[in-house]
Amino acid sequence: EVQLVESGGGLVQPGRSLKLSCAASGFTFSNYYMAWVRQAPKKGLEWVATISTSGSRTYYPDSVKGRFTISRDNAKSSLYLQMNSLKSEDTATYYCARQYSSYRPLDYWGQGVMVTVSS
Amino acid sequence: DVVLTQSPATLSVTPGERISLSCRASESVDTYLHWYQQKPNESPRLLIKYASQSISGIPSRFSGSGSGTDFTLSINGVELEDLSIYYCQQGNSLPYTFGAGTKLELK
Repeated sequence: EVQLVESGGGLVQPGRSLKLSCAASGFTFSNYYMAWVRQAPKKGLEWVATISTSGSRTYYPDSVKGRFTISRDNAKSSLYLQMNSLKSEDTATYYCARQYSSYRPLDYWGQGVMVTVSS
Repeated sequence: DVVLTQSPATLSVTPGERISLSCRASESVDTYLHWYQQKPNESPRLLIKYASQSISGIPSRFSGSGSGTDFTLSINGVELEDLSIYYCQQGNSLPYTFGAGTKLELK
């Protein structure tokens, strides 16, 4: 059974940093692209980042480019999201999701982790 | 960026009826259009991929159609467990984008 379990969320002040983790199991992690998607409270879904199988290619929307960094450790079957210079508008539930390759659908999602950016 | 416009924003339904939800793209996304269901307080779940391809484990009452800029998600015989928010997402070009969602509520 595919499982994705996020951790690392919490309350953080504007301008500070936070790192999210996602532990994957039930599939060969190194064979899949992975992604982060967020959802602000009572709002819709927003794609945040995607990383290739080896980690050599990463993709971001303009809203987080230069502030967020996606990375992975295939030996640990783990995905990460380093978030720097956080803003109040980054407040959201962050989901880790599996993606077979670039442009493919997000076929499994974690339960999400809440990040609140507030002073 | 590709803008996805979903309509209606909210749809009031009666169990058993057939319904259709619309997703319109601001430019062609070929068939790189996927549908997700998000039940209250749950994570999204992939419902339909590449506009019309079914997903293992998803009830057969869900179907998708369309290509280019106009897409439809149909539910043939709505059930109470289908009361959710439905999102479309395009994977044709970066950045990946989602529609704002259609919420199904009980009439």
